[in-house]
Amino acid sequence: KQEVTQIPAALSVPEGENLVLNCSFTDSAIYNLQWFRQDPGKGLTSLLLIQSSQREQTSGRLNASLDKSSGRSTLYIAASQPGDSATYLCAALIQGAQKLVFGQGTRLTINP
Amino acid sequence: GAVVSQHPSRVICKSGTSVKIECRSLDFQATTMFWYRQFPKQSLMLMATSNEGSKATYEQGVEKDKFLINHASLTLSTLTVTSAHPEDSSFYICSARDPGQRWGNEKLFFGSGTQLSVL
Repeated sequence: KQEVTQIPAALSVPEGENLVLNCSFTDSAIYNLQWFRQDPGKGLTSLLLIQSSQREQTSGRLNASLDKSSGRSTLYIAASQPGDSATYLCAALIQGAQKLVFGQGTRLTINP
Repeated sequence: GAVVSQHPSRVICKSGTSVKIECRSLDFQATTMFWYRQFPKQSLMLMATSNEGSKATYEQGVEKDKFLINHASLTLSTLTVTSAHPEDSSFYICSARDPGQRWGNEKLFFGSGTQLSVL
C-alpha cells in the first residue's frame, strides 16, 4: 500500500528566505508526483507535476525534484513571500490503481 | 486552464437530512471524477471514483448507501450524503481529469470544496 509522508507538518520562516518542503513515498511504482497548494477552506491548486521519468520541474520561484529510487520529492521555494503562506500537499499517482495518494501536507507560514 | 466548479461551498444541515454536492467540469468533458474527504489538518482521502454512465467505485471503508454518487453526464457528478450525522461533518472536494490527456501526463483539476457541518 502506497504511503506518502510530508515533513515537516508545519514551518514558519521570515520573508525572503529560501525553503525546502519534503515528501516521501513508499512505492516507486508511480506515474507522477504532484505538488498542490491549498488555502484555508479552499480547494487545491496544482503547482508542479513531475513525470516518473523526470527529475525536476520548475515554475517561477518553485522547483520540484523527484528521486524515484529513494522515494523522495522536494519542493524548493525561493525568496519566500507572505502570499506563499498556505498548506502544501504532495501526491503520488499510483500505477495500476490510477489514483492519487496524498501526503498530510506542510502548513507554511511566511512572516513579513 | 480547465475549471471544475463545486457547489455549494458551505452547507449546514440538521442531523438526519440529506445533502447533495455538485461537481461540474466547465470547459471539458470529464469521463472520470473523484470525490475526496478531508478532516481538519489532515490530508485528502479518496472516497470514490465516479465514472460517467456506470456505477462509482468506492474505496474500502466508504459506505455506498451513505454516500451516493451519480455521474449522469460528462460534465456533472453529484455526491449525496444521506441521513447525515455530525460525524459526517467534513470538507468534501471533487476533482476531474481531462480524458484528452494520457493517464499519468495530466494534472487533475479540483473543485473549491464543500464544507459540510451537520448539527
